Amino acid sequence: GQQLNQSPQSMFIQEGEDVSMNCTSSSIFNTWLWYKQDPGEGPVLLIALYKAGELTSNGRLTAQFGITRKDSFLNISASIPSDVGIYFCAGRKETSGSRLTFGEGTQLTVNP
Amino acid sequence: SAVISQKPSRDICQRGTSLTIQCQVDSQVTMMFWYRQQPGQSLTLIATANQGSEATYESGFVIDKFPISRPNLTFSTLTVSNMSPEDSSIYLCSVGGGGDNEQFFGPGTRLTVL
Repeated sequence: GQQLNQSPQSMFIQEGEDVSMNCTSSSIFNTWLWYKQDPGEGPVLLIALYKAGELTSNGRLTAQFGITRKDSFLNISASIPSDVGIYFCAGRKETSGSRLTFGEGTQLTVNP
Repeated sequence: SAVISQKPSRDICQRGTSLTIQCQVDSQVTMMFWYRQQPGQSLTLIATANQGSEATYESGFVIDKFPISRPNLTFSTLTVSNMSPEDSSIYLCSVGGGGDNEQFFGPGTRLTVL
């Protein structure tokens, strides 16, 4: 079953606002991935993190790999309407090969 | 990242029938995976499709229900057998990348079982 707690479940924000979401676990992960899924599409990889404490940006997106290796967060700055979608975190444990564990997702709605 | 296609993109099927979903990649990849995404839910790994050997299934998924083929390094199929309405989901294939530390997903197959 799911071992990643992702929050919040949903967010309703105004265009231009910043957004933050996070994933936590009781287990240690050695890779954190953040995906975005649009309706009717497969998830698209946004950011990959490989080291504890790593902070990585991709345009207006910034993600961090938690120091404890049990959490990660994703920030979106200056949101725009096309940021609407479901954001998933995914983690890979050292003991699970290439298999990923996914969070439950954060549904983001941006009001123009 | 690899370009991944899936066929069909969607289908509506009758209970008791089977559907085979195809996943094609534009480059050779070692790792291929099949996921299920039930309505409004997250992704759950069904199995890892191994080239030249049987797939490795996750807890709760069995080969009789979800037989998988992986004849080469660019192609895999997932069959959903003896379908029931509970099988209505999006089925996604993914491939490993970035030294298999990352995964890239196909567009998904939206299955509705009546």
